[in-house]
Amino acid sequence: QVQLVESGGGEVQPGRSLRLSCAASGFTFSSYGMHWVRQAPGKGLEWVAIMYSDGSNKYYADSVKGRFTISRDSFKNTLYLQMNSLRVEDTAVYYCARDVSIAAAGIDYWGLGTLVTVSS
Amino acid sequence: QSVLTQPPSASGTPGQRVTISCSGSSSDIGSNSVYWYQQLPGTAPKLLIYRNDQRPSGVPDRFSGSKSGTSASLAISGLRSEDEADYYCAACDDSLSGYVFGTGTKVTVL
Repeated sequence: QVQLVESGGGEVQPGRSLRLSCAASGFTFSSYGMHWVRQAPGKGLEWVAIMYSDGSNKYYADSVKGRFTISRDSFKNTLYLQMNSLRVEDTAVYYCARDVSIAAAGIDYWGLGTLVTVSS
Repeated sequence: QSVLTQPPSASGTPGQRVTISCSGSSSDIGSNSVYWYQQLPGTAPKLLIYRNDQRPSGVPDRFSGSKSGTSASLAISGLRSEDEADYYCAACDDSLSGYVFGTGTKVTVL
């Protein structure tokens, strides 16, 4: 069965960096687009970024553009999110999620999430 | 970043039918499929409806989705206590090359 397991979350000071990882299993990782989605405490879902299956295209939400970088390693079946210049408002649970297609159509599977807290 | 508009809350008694609306624009719902997610307290979202009106295996047929123009809706019939959760609609947005979520609706079973 499809499994997505995030790791790398924690508490960090504003301005610092953090890298999240998402280990994928139970499906052919290289055949699907992959997303990061976040949810601030008590708030709704916010889409963060997507990377197409072949790595040809990456797109970001305006709120993270220029600070976050999505990448993937198809040999390790792992998705990453490099987060630089972190801000207090980046505090959230970060979910890794699979798209139903090779690009962007819709999300079908979600990981359990990893909490990132940005605080001084 | 644009978001899809949902009512903040909806409620009903056990057995009743509840409908949640989701309003978007020509660049998101108007030109792409709508997905719906259920998020129980303290858990990750779960896919409820895909491609506007399709149910994944394991999702009860009490849940149904529809889409018309730039709006969509989720209906829950035969409301049960375990349906108490937050519900989100979502769609790709062609103008942003990204994905947009609805504002979320909290369903309460009275």
